[in-house]
Amino acid sequence: DTGVSQDPRHKITKRGQNVTFRCDPISEHNRLYWYRQTLGQGPEFLTYFQNEAQLEKSRLLSDRFSAERPKGSFSTLEIQRTEQGDSAMYLCASSLAQGQPQHFGDGTRLSIL
Amino acid sequence: QKEVEQDPGPLSVPEGAIVSLNCTYSNSAFQYFMWYRQYSRKGPELLMYTYSSGNKEDGRFTAQVDKSSKYISLFIRDSQPSDSATYLCAMNSGVYQKVTFGTGTKLQVIP
Repeated sequence: DTGVSQDPRHKITKRGQNVTFRCDPISEHNRLYWYRQTLGQGPEFLTYFQNEAQLEKSRLLSDRFSAERPKGSFSTLEIQRTEQGDSAMYLCASSLAQGQPQHFGDGTRLSIL
Repeated sequence: QKEVEQDPGPLSVPEGAIVSLNCTYSNSAFQYFMWYRQYSRKGPELLMYTYSSGNKEDGRFTAQVDKSSKYISLFIRDSQPSDSATYLCAMNSGVYQKVTFGTGTKLQVIP
């Protein structure tokens, strides 16, 4: 299976620490997305890359959040100075082209102690 | 008011029943409509993807879109215990890339 892969699956950290998550999209997909999902809610859009260019960012993406996709393949999402409210599932998705559906990975679950 | 409204349930049905799941939306710019299934501690899995109004069928699943009423539905025929999951409706405009999701409806199919 060559679906969207996310690492780690679960991250536990203390408040104030920095964390980084990785996403490997489906190999031929040039579009990559990050979402955040909290308990009992649907995923909320964070940001979108087409190849290496970050083209859309949500207002949810505060200054403490940064995402990169340096070579247009895998992507990283970093959260600096984590806060309790950052506890959530961070989901990555990819799609082939405009008008094509997004396919999701199984997410990274972040727990802030 | 949220752009996409979805009853969170839970919805409990006996095995073999027909399940009807629904969402309403307010943004008339939405053109693409999706249904995802999400099992506990897993990512959303695409079930149905439609563009424009009308019906689309795939096995036991039928998706309906009524743009004039801003209403979409997913029907599951001959429901199975393995269908027990949270079902998320989702949509986007095709202009911006973000997908807007409903809150999800939790479905339990009882054997």
